[in-house]
Amino acid sequence: QQQVKQSPQSLIVQKGGISIINCAYENTAFDYFPWYQQFPGKGPALLIAIRPDVSEKKEGRFTISFNKSAKQFSLHIMDSQPGDSATYFCAAKSGAGSYQLTFGKGTKLSVIP
Amino acid sequence: DGGITQSPKYLFRKEGQNVTLSCEQNLNHDAMYWYRQDPGQGLRLIYYSQIVNDFQKGDIAEGYSVSREKKESFPLTVTSAQKNPTAFYLCASSSGTGELFFGEGSRLTVL
Repeated sequence: QQQVKQSPQSLIVQKGGISIINCAYENTAFDYFPWYQQFPGKGPALLIAIRPDVSEKKEGRFTISFNKSAKQFSLHIMDSQPGDSATYFCAAKSGAGSYQLTFGKGTKLSVIP
Repeated sequence: DGGITQSPKYLFRKEGQNVTLSCEQNLNHDAMYWYRQDPGQGLRLIYYSQIVNDFQKGDIAEGYSVSREKKESFPLTVTSAQKNPTAFYLCASSSGTGELFFGEGSRLTVL
């Protein structure tokens, strides 16, 4: 049972363009929504995260948009660079006291010059 | 430097052998996790532990075992009962805020 659905599976964007990755969830108990970035052969690292009491969070070129009513959230990468080429995972955590994250299946982003 | 250390980075195993992957953290985190990563499958939770001497099965625990005798250490044993063990294994820790800190992974190949 996949609780976090991520799309697209792969994405090719030209340098300077906007990369958009979408995730949808079903469990309304989720209260924390992070995005992780993973380079080949490395472990994932936290990129940016949001809680459901805000609709948008921006850190540099990376923005999370959150739509609580639609149970969707997305990652926008502005001015995409070749160095952004990586696999991106969305995730969600349910409720206080929960230590578990549920991950989407990942999006492989390739930024071409 | 604080972080998660996984070893070995690469491991080869013959069918029928058990292997143990090491995971050590010096972040003073209570919770530790093991994930398995396969192409196109995302990260799937094998086992997790929130305190010493206690651990719970994740979504794909069959064929794996763990122990948590020390706060800093959470080794994973891939047993011969795991039918398809070739994968990239990731260890992580958390203080409970939601953020996971991952190690650099161990790639296991069954020959």
